[in-house]
Amino acid sequence: SQQGEEDPQALSIQEGENATMNCSYKTSINNLQWYRQNSGRGLVHLILIRSNEREKHSGRLRVTLDTSKKSSSLLITASRAADTASYFCATYIYNQGGKLIFGQGTELSVKP
Amino acid sequence: ETGVTQSPTHLIKTRGQQVTLRCSSQSGHNTVSWYQQALGQGPQFIFQYYREEENGRGNFPPRFSGLQFPNYSSELNVNALELDDSALYLCASSTELLADEQYFGPGTRLTVT
Repeated sequence: SQQGEEDPQALSIQEGENATMNCSYKTSINNLQWYRQNSGRGLVHLILIRSNEREKHSGRLRVTLDTSKKSSSLLITASRAADTASYFCATYIYNQGGKLIFGQGTELSVKP
Repeated sequence: ETGVTQSPTHLIKTRGQQVTLRCSSQSGHNTVSWYQQALGQGPQFIFQYYREEENGRGNFPPRFSGLQFPNYSSELNVNALELDDSALYLCASSTELLADEQYFGPGTRLTVT
């Protein structure tokens, strides 16, 4: 079963604009991770935020986590055509054997 | 590059057949997990192996089985293939059982006709 729900399912923006994707989950977590997937290939790990953190930055990426609302957001600033991909959030729960539970993803299209 | 490789890249099988997918992890990665990703969906956890023993399993029937070998390679076997088994199969390895970061391979695209 899917733990996370992502919103929107698809997002189309112009190069240079910011892209925001949201993820909600159902149970307590140890950390939440964001991944990128290009054209149905392997997953690339983008950023990890732990349950005791509220915000994290990595280059043009900014992730927030609100454990009271069980939600996270991923912001990509100054988007580029190369950012076109599917983005997935995944929750990680230690007492479930360390498996990642993925949302259904947001498909981002950045038009040049 | 994550250092995780998978073979083959693509595979076409007929319903009822059996298939073996392979994954090669980085040296020292004792944990490997397998995920199934249907078209348009997020990956779903199949099972995890730690030091050659199955450590956890998702909601998949017994015809999905696996092996992990001492040389950091692993296999996913699927018997009696069904049309719904058509998907991208991803393996992910990590250094320890509860390591936060998992390193994904590029996947094997399986089509069942």
